[in-house]
Order: sequence, then C-alpha cells, then structure tokens
Amino acid sequence: DIQMTQSPSSLSASVGDTVTITCRASQDISSWLVWYQQEPEKAPKSLIYTASRLQSGVPSRFSGSGSGTDFTLTISSLQPEDFATYYCQQYRDYPRTFGQGTKVEIK
Amino acid sequence: EVHLVESGGGLVQRGGSLRLSCAASGFTFSNYWMNWVRQIPGKGLEWVANIKQDGSEKYYVDSVKGRFTISRDNAQNKLYLQMDSLRAEDTAVYYCAKDDSSSPWPTHFDYWGQGALVTVSS
Repeated sequence: DIQMTQSPSSLSASVGDTVTITCRASQDISSWLVWYQQEPEKAPKSLIYTASRLQSGVPSRFSGSGSGTDFTLTISSLQPEDFATYYCQQYRDYPRTFGQGTKVEIK
Repeated sequence: EVHLVESGGGLVQRGGSLRLSCAASGFTFSNYWMNWVRQIPGKGLEWVANIKQDGSEKYYVDSVKGRFTISRDNAQNKLYLQMDSLRAEDTAVYYCAKDDSSSPWPTHFDYWGQGALVTVSS
C-alpha cells in the first residue's frame, strides 16, 4: 500500500497568516493527489485535486503543488473558516490512502 | 444540487450484519464511480470500497475483503454497503462519496454525504 505522511500533525496560526502543509507519498504517485478540508462534525470537502487544480467554488487562497512523492498545500491569508483539519489522499493506486491529517488551530 | 444521504447505521453486535444505503440526487448517478469511506470518531479517514458506473468493477481495502460488499442500483439512484461479520474495529462513521469525473477510471471525491455511524459492540 502507498503510505501518505503529512506534516505537521497540527499547527497554530493567526488570521492572515500563510500556512503550508506537506504530504509525502511512499512511492511515486505522479500528480494523483487530492487535498480535503474537514471541519468538526462535518464531511470532508475537496479543495485541490491532481495536486494543483482548484476545486470549483474553493477560494483562490488555497493552492497546491508537487508531483511524484512530495506535495504541499498552502493557505494564504488564513481566514477564520479555514481552521479545520486537512487531509491529503492519493488516487494513483488501490487501496486509496489518506494522510493522517493536519489540524490547523487558532493561535 | 448534489445530495448524498446515508442511512442504515446503528448499533450491532460483533459478528452481526448491517446494510448501509446512500440515496443520491442532483446528478446522473449512473455516470459516476461511487465510494464508501469511513472515519473512526476523532481519527483519520479510511477508504473502504468503490464501484464502477455499471457495477462491473469493485475494489476493497484488504481489511474488509470477504466481509463487505458494495453494490448499486442505478434505477433507484442508490449505493449500498452490505457489512457482514462485523468487528469492533469496524466502528466508524461511514460516508458515501461521489467521484468527481464521469470518466471510465476512478478519480477523487467531490461530494460526500453527512455520514452514518456504525457501532459494533463487543
């Protein structure tokens, strides 16, 4: 199975900050990576797919980059509604696997 | 507007069975791969299974192979997950999720239901 490792596991930031979350795959997944945002008690929401494409309706302060094994999610100018948990997931191979999540908390 | 509504969750004894349903609306159900993803409360996400548009291909995570069966009824716009021989470690919120693209190969998930809690008592 392809292992997905996110870092950090959690971070504290202030409104207006820029934050970066990284995701590393245990083998080459090309660009078959998606980032999800999950607010407490809610279903995940797709933000970025194919590593860098913005899902329709998602604010442009979210961006993604990377290919192969190393990927990043950047949130520019953090807004109050962005405090949530973020997951990466590969869809290069079965089983589909997720990172363990990164919780973004208010400083 | 896309809606996915899961039902059928509940409390079941270890070794028992449960069938989850997901009612889909707002899109042409028969055009999309569909998925089940689960989440232990307070923990991370685990993909469970998916099924091709016509039901001809199904894939499962190893931990549920031989115990869970994914199926769909395109006439009724419904997705199912039959769960047998349930274990304590199957306790989770189960989400149905729609693939983003109507292509023949599966992609990422663009819409998720609100989830159904399955609790397996030991």
